[in-house]
Amino acid sequence: QVQLVESGGGVVQPGRSLRLSCAASGFIFSDFVMHWVRQAPGKGLEWVAVIWYDGSNKYYADSVKGRFTISRDNSKNTLSLQMNSLRAEDTAVYYCARERESRGWFGELLSNWFDPWGQGTLVTVSS
Amino acid sequence: SYVLTQPPSVSVAPGQTARITCGGNNIGSKSVHWYQQKPNQAPVLVVYDDSDRPSGIPERFSGSNSGNTATLTISRVEAGDEADYYCQVWDTSSDQVVFGGGTKLTVL
Repeated sequence: QVQLVESGGGVVQPGRSLRLSCAASGFIFSDFVMHWVRQAPGKGLEWVAVIWYDGSNKYYADSVKGRFTISRDNSKNTLSLQMNSLRAEDTAVYYCARERESRGWFGELLSNWFDPWGQGTLVTVSS
Repeated sequence: SYVLTQPPSVSVAPGQTARITCGGNNIGSKSVHWYQQKPNQAPVLVVYDDSDRPSGIPERFSGSNSGNTATLTISRVEAGDEADYYCQVWDTSSDQVVFGGGTKLTVL
């Protein structure tokens, strides 16, 4: 079955770095756009980053732009998130998610959604 | 940036119908997706493209979208439906994913 398993979370001091991984299985990883979404304790969902099928395009939320880097290794079915210069406000559960999408007659993106999600990994930024 | 507004909470008795709204400027022109999140669990997709259901999601879950409001409707509510529900769209103007703030559904 389709499965996403995150790892790499933990406690880290402000200003330090952490790298998250997401292992994908049960589907052809290179056929899908992948995302990271986070959720601060007791708060709602916040989109973080997206990476294209082959890694050719990457986009980030303004809150993490310049500090976080999303990447993927299609040969290993793995998605990663390199987080640098971490702040207290980056404390959250980080989920990886597979994108599903609908396209128009000319291939234009009409909408996208997430299915499935991984179980999440907790990142705590604290001194 | 595009903003989605959800009521913080909705309460309903078992067996009744719950309606959770998601407001946005001309949201009817966008496709809206809904997720259910139970405590300490990852979100699960329950409705996509306004009104389609993924396999395995009960027919009790339905969606609609028009004008400035999208609605997730849960019929014959059960205790197991108690959860947080989030709406989501793709904002074409900013090329970013947008989530609503979430609605906590309480089954009385």
